[in-house]
Amino acid sequence: EAGVTQSPTHLIKTRGQQVTLRCSPISGHTSVYWYQQALGLGLQFLLWYDEGEERNRGNFPPRFSGRQFPNYSSELNVNALELEDSALYLCASSLAAAGGFTDTQYFGPGTRLTVL
Amino acid sequence: DQQVKQNSPSLSVQEGRISILNCDYTNSMFDYFLWYKKYPAEGPTFLISISSIKDKNEDGRFTVFLNKSAKHLSLHIVPSQPGDSAVYFCAASGYSGAGSYQLTFGKGTKLSVIP
Repeated sequence: EAGVTQSPTHLIKTRGQQVTLRCSPISGHTSVYWYQQALGLGLQFLLWYDEGEERNRGNFPPRFSGRQFPNYSSELNVNALELEDSALYLCASSLAAAGGFTDTQYFGPGTRLTVL
Repeated sequence: DQQVKQNSPSLSVQEGRISILNCDYTNSMFDYFLWYKKYPAEGPTFLISISSIKDKNEDGRFTVFLNKSAKHLSLHIVPSQPGDSAVYFCAASGYSGAGSYQLTFGKGTKLSVIP
């Protein structure tokens, strides 16, 4: 069974640009989560999608947005990139959107974004 | 305000001995706790979890203990193996105080098991 896949693996952008990161969940999983791991910090919850709907978002500005497609894959968009957006962006998927995040999340390898 | 804290950024243990990784939390609304393991260049992988109605959960060499009164949990690995060398993240789930449920991670503890 294929795991969670993310693309691209690495990305270099300049300040002010826009970026789109992609995630394909494990087959059968309907929930997709996005996390940011900046240097020296733990994983920070960004967004949660389930059945095409945004269910929850973390404490990030509106320039972080995303969507989930009918095939449950997801995109994370970041507009007006800032230097502090440099981080590892992790996508995870789970079987169901149970309240309380009790479903096991399976993570992809991440996309390393560098903003210059 | 960091709601999940892993105060030890690193830990070194001899192969065969016990590894104890600690995690403290501040939000009393957290009701489900998880440990994830992360190897370099890979995403985190789920290790073990515990509900707030329990104080211990065991899975093979891994045991998680929860002390709700102290808002503390720990992960015990016995015996430690070199393949356990990784970064371990503690995570807590529950009402985040921001109007919704979230999964909040600690900063991680890097475990090195020395052969």
